[in-house]
Amino acid sequence: SQQGEEDPQALSIQEGENATMNCSYKTSINNLQWYRQNSGRGLVHLILIRSNEREKHSGRLRVTLDTSKKSSSLLITASRAADTASYFCATGISNFGNEKLTFGTGTRLTIIP
Amino acid sequence: SAVISQKPSRDICQRGTSLTIQCQVDSQVTMMFWYRQQPGQSLTLIATANQGSEATYESGFVIDKFPISRPNLTFSTLTVSNMSPEDSSIYLCSVAITGGWNQPQHFGDGTRLSIL
Repeated sequence: SQQGEEDPQALSIQEGENATMNCSYKTSINNLQWYRQNSGRGLVHLILIRSNEREKHSGRLRVTLDTSKKSSSLLITASRAADTASYFCATGISNFGNEKLTFGTGTRLTIIP
Repeated sequence: SAVISQKPSRDICQRGTSLTIQCQVDSQVTMMFWYRQQPGQSLTLIATANQGSEATYESGFVIDKFPISRPNLTFSTLTVSNMSPEDSSIYLCSVAITGGWNQPQHFGDGTRLSIL
């Protein structure tokens, strides 16, 4: 079963507005990562936040992590049409000495020009 | 980061046949992964492929159906065997450049596979 559940499943906003996506997970993690996927293509890594971190920024992206609630959020500020994509959270979990990612269900973001 | 090339980018196959997908990386990487993304769904890990050892398969995936090769640190193949329409998916290769934990993965553009 999927480790992460994302909310909302779909989000449509006007260009310039902020977009917030949430991710919940079930077990202990090493880290939580966010990825973007455009039109069924490959995924692009956006940001990684370690389990001992609470907040991280990268450009217009802000990610928070609350390990007590097993949840994370991704905020995209001042959205642009090019941000239209599907966004996935993925949890990094120890697996026989290595680390594997388990992906959430994804949020489909549409930015309306 | 790394540049990852997957071939073919898409294919349409007859049921009962097999297809081998190639994943080439422009630098040596420790770990390579194969994922399946069914239509409109999220990614599911098929297996982890480390050079010099057998691939490690996730629950629900078996070597007879998805044999994997990892002959060196820059290349891997995934074969989808005896295909049925249920195998219609995007298959993605990803890499973690260094081993260990807390590493991002870098993805190829995927292979879009349709089975008739």
